[in-house]
Amino acid sequence: NAGVTQTPKFRVLKTGQSMTLLCAQDMNHEYMYWYRQDPGMGLRLIHYSVGEGTTAKGEVPDGYNVSRLKKQNFLLGLESAAPSQTSVYFCASTRHRVSQPQHFGDGTRLSIL
Amino acid sequence: SQQGEEDPQALSIQEGENATMNCSYKTSINNLQWYRQNSGRGLVHLILIRSNEREKHSGRLRVTLDTSKKSSSLLITASRAADTASYFCATDAPPPGGGSNYKLTFGKGTLLTVNP
Repeated sequence: NAGVTQTPKFRVLKTGQSMTLLCAQDMNHEYMYWYRQDPGMGLRLIHYSVGEGTTAKGEVPDGYNVSRLKKQNFLLGLESAAPSQTSVYFCASTRHRVSQPQHFGDGTRLSIL
Repeated sequence: SQQGEEDPQALSIQEGENATMNCSYKTSINNLQWYRQNSGRGLVHLILIRSNEREKHSGRLRVTLDTSKKSSSLLITASRAADTASYFCATDAPPPGGGSNYKLTFGKGTLLTVNP
């Protein structure tokens, strides 16, 4: 079982460049989440989706956009990357309510120079 | 804002010893979850405890919840080197204005090192 797959695993960008991080899950989960993890800060929620075609802002949404055109995919976009967005990004999914366990991908390590 | 805060930030023990990590939170919750993160990997769910439960067990893991003190603890018994990881608590809390909650709030984690 693949579970939650994130691509790419690593990326280096220059300030001002754009990119899209892809999250794919094969568990037919309704809810999907994007987090960032920085040293000493724990996991902070960027955006989330409770179903195909829906998105909502989390704790730190500025500078990011998301789309959920297909149930199995959740895309995170950086339109104009900034050094402050250097982080490890994690995608997670859960079946159909937040009281159930979240399943995480192994992260995308992103450096903005 | 962080709902859950783990304590201690770091813990180093010898193999075979027990490890206890604590989580405190600020508002009422629906449930609390514990996750483990090995270095360079994503988080893995360990155990969920609901607000009306006081204790749950899963293998060598024991979780307690004290809603009056707004705190939870995770006990790992007879620790192994493979238990070396960061451990996070995450809370599912009702929104301040009412309605349904759709997200977890994670703490900053406890880094557990188990020395062989």
